[in-house]
Amino acid sequence: DAGVTQSPTHLIKTRGQHVTLRCSPISGHKSVSWYQQVLGQGPQFIFQYYEKEERGRGNFPDRFSARQFPNYSSELNVNALLLGDSALYLCASSFTANTEAFFGQGTRLTVV
Amino acid sequence: GDSVTQMEGPVTLSEEAFLTINCTYTATGYPSLFWYVQYPGEGLQLLLKATKADDKGSNKGFEATYRKETTSFHLEKGSVQVSDSAVYFCALSHGDSSYKLIFGSGTRLLVRP
Repeated sequence: DAGVTQSPTHLIKTRGQHVTLRCSPISGHKSVSWYQQVLGQGPQFIFQYYEKEERGRGNFPDRFSARQFPNYSSELNVNALLLGDSALYLCASSFTANTEAFFGQGTRLTVV
Repeated sequence: GDSVTQMEGPVTLSEEAFLTINCTYTATGYPSLFWYVQYPGEGLQLLLKATKADDKGSNKGFEATYRKETTSFHLEKGSVQVSDSAVYFCALSHGDSSYKLIFGSGTRLLVRP
């Protein structure tokens, strides 16, 4: 079975632009979480979605938004990109909202 | 708020040496504790976990014991291999926000042949 898949793997954007990152969970998993990992730091929680509803949100500005689709895949959107948004964005899926999270390989976003 | 503190790296060891990576946490009540490993170019993999005080998590020769009295969850391995070179993250999840993992800053381990 495929694990958590994220696309694209790498992305370069200019300040002020918008970006959409995509995540497909493990088959049968209904929960997707997003994390931001700045170089040299641990991942920070951004969002969790379960059964297409937002279950939790971390301390991120409103420029960050996400959604989950009927097939449980998810998108993370970031508007008005800043240099500080450069990071590895990790998606994790789990069977339910509170079971073990399995992480994808991440999308490396560079803002120039 | 809840937080996790890890020893700074990098930790450089020779093959077959003993490994300890320190992790302490701040949280109310009884959080669940985790160690994740991140190999170069890859996402995070769950290495082991413990959900209550005095529990010992173990996997692939790694162990960690949940110590409530010292709020610690130190990672140990008796004999490291070159293939253990990676970044190790200690994390917790807690109470009503059990879906949300709070990570430490990570400790890079480099094992030399």
